[in-house]
Amino acid sequence: EAGVAQSPRYKIIEKRQSVAFWCNPISGHATLYWYQQILGQGPKLLIQFQNNGVVDDSQLPKDRFSAERLKGVDSTLKIQPAKLEDSAVYLCASSQTGRHTEAFFGQGTRLTVV
Amino acid sequence: GDSVTQMEGPVTLSEEAFLTINCTYTATGYPSLFWYVQYPGEGLQLLLKATKADDKGSNKGFEATYRKETTSFHLEKGSVQVSDSAVYFCAPMFSGSARQLTFGSGTQLTVLP
Repeated sequence: EAGVAQSPRYKIIEKRQSVAFWCNPISGHATLYWYQQILGQGPKLLIQFQNNGVVDDSQLPKDRFSAERLKGVDSTLKIQPAKLEDSAVYLCASSQTGRHTEAFFGQGTRLTVV
Repeated sequence: GDSVTQMEGPVTLSEEAFLTINCTYTATGYPSLFWYVQYPGEGLQLLLKATKADDKGSNKGFEATYRKETTSFHLEKGSVQVSDSAVYFCAPMFSGSARQLTFGSGTQLTVLP
């Protein structure tokens, strides 16, 4: 079974530039998550999708971050404009619908804002 | 509100030593409980889980028991190996309309030969 695919793996941008990350979840997984992991911390949820609808985006900084999930499959997360404090690893995860199902994580995209 | 507290790291042990990483949570309901592990250069992966009180999750010699009375899910291993060196995250999935993992701060484990 193919895992969660993310690209790019690494990205370096200057502050105030824009950047986009892409995620392809495991086939058949209705739930998709984007997490932000700052160095030395645990992942923090940014947004959760169920199919192509948003379930929770309460921790997404909506003035600069946006995300969409096309046709309930692939997803993109965008930052515009980036700030220095956005430097982190952005993790995509997916899971099946269900009460106790685990989430499967991609390798992540390491973003450095300079 | 719902929250998780994980033992601060880093932890350094000698090979074959006993490991405990503490994890406690505060919840209005009864969450499912997970431990995830992040090996160097790799992505997060599930280590074990427990979905109801008194359940014991186990994998690769690691164990954790869902203790409802103490709201805890401590990770243990009787004899660690160098290959267990990684960052370990406790992650409850709190009940509610949006079922999602909430991660602890992580514990860096280094095992020395």
